[in-house]
Amino acid sequence: DIQMTQSPSTLSASVGDRVTITCRASQRISSWLAWYQQKPGKAPTLLISRASNLQSGVPSRFSGSGSGTEFTLTISSLQPDDFATYYCQHYDNYPYTFGQGTKLDFK
Amino acid sequence: QVQLQESGPGLVKPSQTLSLTCAVSGASITTAANFWTWVRQDPGKGLEWIGHTSYSGKTSYNPSLKSRVIISLDPAQNQISLKLTSVTVADTAVYYCAGGAGFIDFWGQGTLVSVSS
Repeated sequence: DIQMTQSPSTLSASVGDRVTITCRASQRISSWLAWYQQKPGKAPTLLISRASNLQSGVPSRFSGSGSGTEFTLTISSLQPDDFATYYCQHYDNYPYTFGQGTKLDFK
Repeated sequence: QVQLQESGPGLVKPSQTLSLTCAVSGASITTAANFWTWVRQDPGKGLEWIGHTSYSGKTSYNPSLKSRVIISLDPAQNQISLKLTSVTVADTAVYYCAGGAGFIDFWGQGTLVSVSS
């Protein structure tokens, strides 16, 4: 199985900050990577597919980049609604796997 | 807008079979997504891909569960189902049905299934 490792596991930040979350794959996955946001008690929601394709309706302050084994999710200016847990997921081959999550909380 | 709603027992005894259904509304399961997926999440922990199936019959499962899991579609009822046999306490989780094309476009709200005697 391809292991997905996110860093950091927890990130403390303030409204207006620029933050970056990293996701590393244990094997090359081209650009077959998605990012999700999850709030407590809710299902995840898709932010980005194919490493950098922003989903319709997702604010432009979110962006994704990378290919191969290293990927990043960047939020350019944190808003109060962005404090949540973020997961990456590869869909290069089976089984698809998720990163362990990055919890973004208030500093 | 596609909506998914999971349903099934919230409590299952060890060694029994966990059975969930997912009702899809707002679109047909024959066309709304390439793959229909089940994902689970240990309470307070991360996400695990269980497997997916397509209307064309392409099915893949997580090898960690492959011998115990079946995902199927019922186009007449516009539903997706999950069966997980021989459950243990380690199968306690929130189970989500979802749809997409590798990545997951849309998710159900999830249903908590506890395995306990």
